[in-house]
Amino acid sequence: KNEVEQSPQNLTAQEGEFITINCSYSVGISALHWLQQHPGGGIVSLFMLSSGKKKHGRLIATINIQEKHSSLHITASHPRDSAVYICAGGRRGATNKLIFGTGTLLAVQP
Amino acid sequence: DAGVIQSPRHEVTEMGQEVTLRCKPISGHNSLFWYRQTMMRGLELLIYFNNNVPIDDSGMPEDRFSAKMPNASFSTLKIQPSEPRDSAVYFCASSPLAGTYNEQFFGPGTRLTVL
Repeated sequence: KNEVEQSPQNLTAQEGEFITINCSYSVGISALHWLQQHPGGGIVSLFMLSSGKKKHGRLIATINIQEKHSSLHITASHPRDSAVYICAGGRRGATNKLIFGTGTLLAVQP
Repeated sequence: DAGVIQSPRHEVTEMGQEVTLRCKPISGHNSLFWYRQTMMRGLELLIYFNNNVPIDDSGMPEDRFSAKMPNASFSTLKIQPSEPRDSAVYFCASSPLAGTYNEQFFGPGTRLTVL
């Protein structure tokens, strides 16, 4: 079993829909990062969560520590949200080392 | 701030040649990471440095790969000799501080093709 697992692998939505991407992680991971990779290839860090919820524009990230689960939500989705979304877990301790999920390919159609 | 700078952006070389990838982290950042991304394996950490010192190189595939960080503003990843299976996108990232709670800032990547 991978330490970080994402679902779904692929997601197609219509413009305006509410989107949820899920990430489960194993014991020992204390921080969860959400990254976005656009078709051009660049990777952008969206959120880092260790508890609770964070919001940035139409993006919301939540984490449930007891259930070892995090979600990334996109409200009022738009074609420009089309990208690969990657969750990555950071282990406890001083290291920055991240363990990556396999990514979710999101396509938002107009 | 210019962000993390990587060069070259694209590299095409022949099997057996030496390849050097370069990275300039964001000024003031103390941690630097080299990642490799392939379709089969996704993103993988190769090596990371804290304060110019290599901390974990367990992800370096084999002795053909080496990385250096001679100062706080420059790092190289070298492959010698290169092989077709090294074809991938190589990302460099930097972070302000050590620790799992710090955001990482990624460079644009170097797309390496080994023929």
